[in-house]
Amino acid sequence: DGGITQSPKYLFRKEGQNVTLSCEQNLNHDAMYWYRQDPGQGLRLIYYSQIVNDFQKGDIAEGYSVSREKKESFPLTVTSAQKNPTAFYLCASSIGLRLSSYEQYFGPGTRLTVT
Amino acid sequence: EDQVTQSPEALRLQEGESSSLNCSYTVSGLRGLFWYRQDPGKGPEFLFTLYSAGEEKEKERLKATLTKKESFLHITAPKPEDSATYLCAVQAEKTSGSRLTFGEGTQLTVNP
Repeated sequence: DGGITQSPKYLFRKEGQNVTLSCEQNLNHDAMYWYRQDPGQGLRLIYYSQIVNDFQKGDIAEGYSVSREKKESFPLTVTSAQKNPTAFYLCASSIGLRLSSYEQYFGPGTRLTVT
Repeated sequence: EDQVTQSPEALRLQEGESSSLNCSYTVSGLRGLFWYRQDPGKGPEFLFTLYSAGEEKEKERLKATLTKKESFLHITAPKPEDSATYLCAVQAEKTSGSRLTFGEGTQLTVNP
């Protein structure tokens, strides 16, 4: 089955620790995205990547870092500099700019709790 | 700055009671407007893309329409399984890459 996988589903960390969230897709999509969702709020863009070895900051990039070494993978690291890291993190992908349709497809999400 | 406002924030319907959800948007040149469904604790599920005013798309009990300022998601004779949060997002022509701007969603509850 083609799709987006995120692991783990739930993640618990102590304050001050860095943590990396995994995102893998087998849809052959060029573009990948990371969003953060807090209760009662919409999705906010953290980072996105349109092509391997290139990525751009979104609206709330402070305290996060990413890499895009492979087309299929776009891991997100939540660093100790992120002041309020507890949230639901969503990874998405889209075909990119090769076609006119730009809808994004989402993974199941990772719920991160930092205490 | 692109903006998306969804209303109402929450909507309770009885099974079979048709209604509409609203998505108002401000964008400098619309490339596309997207509707998603999100169940609690899960990732959003893509429903529709609309590209130009006057366009309509249907899927089962859902129909999405688009004008130059807003989009409606019409739900006809809803069932309890239609209960979810419905998200609207826009993509501007001048946006960098293919990033989307999301609204905060409408939480729909359909009671049996």
